[in-house]
Amino acid sequence: GAVVSQHPSWVICKSGTSVKIECRSLDFQATTMFWYRQFPKQSLMLMATSNEGSKATYEQGVEKDKFLINHASLTLSTLTVTSAHPEDSSFYICSAPGGPGDEQYFGPGTRLTVT
Amino acid sequence: RKEVEQDPGPFNVPEGATVAFNCTYSNSASQSFFWYRQDCRKEPKLLMSVYSSGNEDGRFTAQLNRASQYISLLIRDSKLSDSATYLCVVNIDNQGGKLIFGQGTELSVKP
Repeated sequence: GAVVSQHPSWVICKSGTSVKIECRSLDFQATTMFWYRQFPKQSLMLMATSNEGSKATYEQGVEKDKFLINHASLTLSTLTVTSAHPEDSSFYICSAPGGPGDEQYFGPGTRLTVT
Repeated sequence: RKEVEQDPGPFNVPEGATVAFNCTYSNSASQSFFWYRQDCRKEPKLLMSVYSSGNEDGRFTAQLNRASQYISLLIRDSKLSDSATYLCVVNIDNQGGKLIFGQGTELSVKP
């Protein structure tokens, strides 16, 4: 089946620095990708919809200037957490629609720890 | 009210037990429905889609009641490997788009 990869799988950074997370669709093209965040013991929360060739659409309460999304090509979307703070520590997961019905393919996730 | 609500867990059951998960959703315009499974520190994986007519996949049976905006998942003859968090998921548009996740119900199957 289709595969979505994320890089890095985990990252530790210092407060105030920026971190870029990549999401790639490996054997299919994705004009749309989704970015989710999951805090411990909580469910996935949709952060934004990444659109190839146009601006991302952010969910209510998600700061677009803090979480920069760039959908550079039909197989790559990046999420940059700018000026990271410890409260940004979370599990970030991307997904892309594809396959039969409304199935979405999820990346393996990136665990971000901000110290 | 949360858009997708599930039974609070965790559920602790012995091997071989039958387990039922319940879920309600608030948006009557929701288009499609799923159960995902998430293992600790991993991404969610699709377990099964849920259809109005109900559907079964081996030991797993899913039901949808659009009038009540209610979704269920039944696991029969539970195995140790069924231990995971089960996520009720609703797609609120028809463009292969936004998924809204319930908070998940943790299942622990004991020998």
